[in-house]
Amino acid sequence: GNSVTQMEGPVTLSEEAFLTINCTYTATGYPSLFWYVQYPGEGLQLLLKATKADDKGSNKGFEATYRKETTSFHLEKGSVQVSDSAVYFCALSQADSGYALNFGKGTSLLVTP
Amino acid sequence: GAVVSQHPSRVICKSGTSVKIECRSLDFQATTMFWYRQFPKQSLMLMATSNEGSKATYEQGVEKDKFLINHASLTLSTLTVTSAHPEDSSFYICSAGVGTGRSGNTIYFGEGSWLTVV
Repeated sequence: GNSVTQMEGPVTLSEEAFLTINCTYTATGYPSLFWYVQYPGEGLQLLLKATKADDKGSNKGFEATYRKETTSFHLEKGSVQVSDSAVYFCALSQADSGYALNFGKGTSLLVTP
Repeated sequence: GAVVSQHPSRVICKSGTSVKIECRSLDFQATTMFWYRQFPKQSLMLMATSNEGSKATYEQGVEKDKFLINHASLTLSTLTVTSAHPEDSSFYICSAGVGTGRSGNTIYFGEGSWLTVV
């Protein structure tokens, strides 16, 4: 079946540090890949997505590239801010599942001043 | 843009009672909506797929008699937690998709509903 594996958190970084959160997936066919962010006490917000191999999703300084050869979709940001502190979820969806998502366990990020 | 709204955002109920959570697509029609559950500091787990005009499809291990889902219209799905117990306390969140095809679909999430059973 489909699954998503994320690096364990929490991740603690200083402001302006470089961020990488690893995500790998297992799926048949060609899934769409997503990163969602959840701020404390809030619901989920789509951060970025990619729907085919070699696509790069980007938003708010975050980037992730769909790598089919390594089945990965790592999230990166060149310079994090305190306001980026949140939980980040990697997810995938398959065309045959409609819009249902398989989520990774989430990675908590804390950025300190 | 498309928005999915949930209500209530927070609810406290007594053990043994039932509570209903609504999920609405505000400016688009959703033939399918999804209900997820999130325990504190854990990931979201798909509970069921809500299908307009037909029975919901439940994931393995989810009690359909306990978590009643009704999708009576193209803009509204409801999740009713029946005979709630403290272990049902959780964050429940719905989603709906719009668009066609793998490249065109966009998934929107509701704001989520915090359920506390006391």
